[in-house]
Amino acid sequence: GIQVEQSPPDLILQEGANSTLRCNFSDSVNNLQWFHQNPWGQLINLFYIPSGTKQNGRLSATTVATERYSLLYISSSQTTDSGVYFCAVASGTYKYIFGTGTRLKVLA
Amino acid sequence: GAVVSQHPSWVICKSGTSVKIECRSLDFQATTMFWYRQFPKQSLMLMATSNEGSKATYEQGVEKDKFLINHASLTLSTLTVTSAHPEDSSFYICSALRASGGQETQYFGPGTRLLVL
Repeated sequence: GIQVEQSPPDLILQEGANSTLRCNFSDSVNNLQWFHQNPWGQLINLFYIPSGTKQNGRLSATTVATERYSLLYISSSQTTDSGVYFCAVASGTYKYIFGTGTRLKVLA
Repeated sequence: GAVVSQHPSWVICKSGTSVKIECRSLDFQATTMFWYRQFPKQSLMLMATSNEGSKATYEQGVEKDKFLINHASLTLSTLTVTSAHPEDSSFYICSALRASGGQETQYFGPGTRLLVL
């Protein structure tokens, strides 16, 4: 099956800093989403982005499907950005395979 | 936006009892829902796909007789953990598939924490 690796596994930022999170996948996909899991466990949709670039406020994402990776950019980070960021991919179906996650902590 | 609820949010039960978890899509219809399990500090693992009006499809290694799934309507799927044991303690999360704007996106419930004593 498809393998999904995320990096870095852990990240500590000072408030206001920028960061880039990476998601590599081992095979071609036609669905890809980025999620933020807050400290209470709720998964929040950030982007549906099987290809191309999208922006939403301080967040943006880029997927280069031909090279099998996706990037999530967080600018001017805030303490509320803390949590775990997952990418999830699917090929041919909507059964998502979740990545290993990046655990982010933003310090005030 | 698309809202998915789960009930209960927390459950503590004795070993050997059965626990039912409900997943509802509140403002859209979902013919397909998914059930995931997440252990502490780990990623989400798909357990099964719940299809309205038909049998659920289970991932390899998931016991279908232990984790009973019923998708009785377009807005409700239930997961019943039968004869629960301490190793079933976990965070169970459902999602519902919503079609909008030419794409289908999964929206997740807030999760249910199960502790089996």
